[in-house]
Amino acid sequence: GENVEQHPSTLSVQEGDSAVIKCTYSDSASNYFPWYKQELGKRPQLIIDIRSNVGEKKDQRIAVTLNKTAKHFSLHITETQPEDSAVYFCAARKETNAGKSTFGDGTTLTVKP
Amino acid sequence: DTEVTQTPKHLVMGMTNKKSLKCEQHMGHRAMYWYKQKAKKPPELMFVYSYEKLSINESVPSRFSPECPNSSLLNLHLHALQPEDSALYLCASSQVTGHGYEQYFGPGTRLTVT
Repeated sequence: GENVEQHPSTLSVQEGDSAVIKCTYSDSASNYFPWYKQELGKRPQLIIDIRSNVGEKKDQRIAVTLNKTAKHFSLHITETQPEDSAVYFCAARKETNAGKSTFGDGTTLTVKP
Repeated sequence: DTEVTQTPKHLVMGMTNKKSLKCEQHMGHRAMYWYKQKAKKPPELMFVYSYEKLSINESVPSRFSPECPNSSLLNLHLHALQPEDSALYLCASSQVTGHGYEQYFGPGTRLTVT
């Protein structure tokens, strides 16, 4: 089955700096890659996603890049703010898998003011 | 309405109790999911319902019994749980199960088994 590895497990940055979280996946058939943000005690929320026919997608301060050949994708957050502090999960899904996503283990991001 | 609701928010139950978790969405989604999440870990998929039919059971013990009475409601019936079943139980829904459709998560039920 699919295996998703996520690094780093913890990341601390100064407010205003950029943060990068990387994920690799094993199943070349995976074709949808969402990123979730989960604040302490709250539900996971989708912040950005990318499909395998696209190499990069941006939404304001957040961007995701996908390298299908290398089977890795990354989340980039620019101009970080304290409210960006949360656990971030990447996931991989393939269309034939009836809605099943494989999640990375998560990255705890701390943005210091 | 883009919200998935779950009740109760917190539940404490003994190992001999029977209880149920409830999930509701009114977005017209035809796929609904149960996840279990332990602290500092990613959500683990338990069940997927597609058009009110169970499509995925991730080898979940029979002490967890899902039910989908209609397209808006999803229940998880609990019986004879173990302390290691204590976790946050998240419900989610999506338009359908095909890829590319965002999964909306509910706030979760924090379950403690004593």
